[in-house]
Amino acid sequence: AQTVTQSQPEMSVQEAETVTLSCTYDTSENNYYLFWYKQPPSRQMILVIRQEAYKQQNATENRFSVNFQKAAKSFSLKISDSQLGDTAMYFCAQVGAGSYQLTFGKGTKLSVIP
Amino acid sequence: DTEVTQTPKHLVMGMTNKKSLKCEQHMGHRAMYWYKQKAKKPPELMFVYSYEKLSINESVPSRFSPECPNSSLLNLHLHALQPEDSALYLCASSQGRRSYNEQFFGPGTRLTVL
Repeated sequence: AQTVTQSQPEMSVQEAETVTLSCTYDTSENNYYLFWYKQPPSRQMILVIRQEAYKQQNATENRFSVNFQKAAKSFSLKISDSQLGDTAMYFCAQVGAGSYQLTFGKGTKLSVIP
Repeated sequence: DTEVTQTPKHLVMGMTNKKSLKCEQHMGHRAMYWYKQKAKKPPELMFVYSYEKLSINESVPSRFSPECPNSSLLNLHLHALQPEDSALYLCASSQGRRSYNEQFFGPGTRLTVL
């Protein structure tokens, strides 16, 4: 069975500051993929960043980067230069290669304060 | 076109009504999904269609009936729903290749059952 744990139900950050959201997971798969999804209030869920487990290099997308620690099964998201538009629920998710079943964490509600 | 569209955006129905939710994508994806999402919770998988065949049914009550008329369309037929079925219903799609299944989400249909 796969599990994804997000231990921070809510977080806040000042505009322009940096914040890190935590995620740990457990899986028996050898090959899998990890994602961070963002769901703004009353808006569409969009993919922020993805990481392929067999790649050691941490993924980066503009202001978003991850710290992927495979041995520790940790996959944290760092948001630099936080903007008001980053206010959203963030879900960490994992899927095994060859599987359609995306396992989500419970989410972290991030508020960016002006 | 990297969009998943869903109609209607909002739906209010009585417990005796029959209604349908519609989802459409034109990204050439061969896997399509229905999720149910309650407020402040992660999405819960309901159904997966892979190459127009029902691949996964997560023990969903029969009052929810999915249909995949072709590779671009996914419907969810609703009948005799209960008030606890009120939620945001999300559609998603992915390439369907077994090695990589990044899911793209639609904006959702907010369903209220009276």
